[in-house]
Amino acid sequence: AGVTQTPRYLIKTRGQQVTLRCSPISGHSSVSWYQQAPGQGPQFIFEYANELRRSEGNFPNRFSGRQFHDCCSEMNVSALELGDSALYLCARSSREEIGELFFGEGSRLTVL
Amino acid sequence: DAKTTQPTSMDCAEGRAANLPCNHSTISGNEYVYWYRQIHSQGPQYIIHGLKNNETNEMASLIITEDRKSSTLILPHATLRDTAVYYCIVYNQGGKLIFGQGTELSVKP
Repeated sequence: AGVTQTPRYLIKTRGQQVTLRCSPISGHSSVSWYQQAPGQGPQFIFEYANELRRSEGNFPNRFSGRQFHDCCSEMNVSALELGDSALYLCARSSREEIGELFFGEGSRLTVL
Repeated sequence: DAKTTQPTSMDCAEGRAANLPCNHSTISGNEYVYWYRQIHSQGPQYIIHGLKNNETNEMASLIITEDRKSSTLILPHATLRDTAVYYCIVYNQGGKLIFGQGTELSVKP
């Protein structure tokens, strides 16, 4: 599916912020972000389409995102908390099947 | 909340069929059943989906009961590389994929 997430691993301390990147996201594709805690299934954070947020899950405003036209997407998490330690997954939609997502390998964030 | 119930874990012998059950008794008429799997240290991978008819592709078969309250994912000849967590998801097109905890399938030699 060719979805690349960077960085793959990172360590931050409480109170810091982090920006995660996902590419490529070509035109007419939506991009979704998920958080996966150890031993749990991925939890939906939000979805962007046509550079606008289309839907969102139950995450605080500290989680924000952007989609850039025909390029990529970023997610920013501010005021990091220990509980934000997780694998963050980005996925782009298929053009043929709306429920078929292509996931990247994720960015593993550790907050100390 | 996830609308599906799956066993926490299952074992399967290499070369045998792996049958992974899923209950979705509250599924609505316009909701699809999707299956994904996640191999350790990778992102989830789409496998198959269906509405009410049985489906087959190069990866697996999906059997949906007539009342649509349950389904079974079948891997016809499991290999060691099929060891993964398998997620059954009820999806309303236009909504979002909600993952449960899935079934951890271990394929053993």
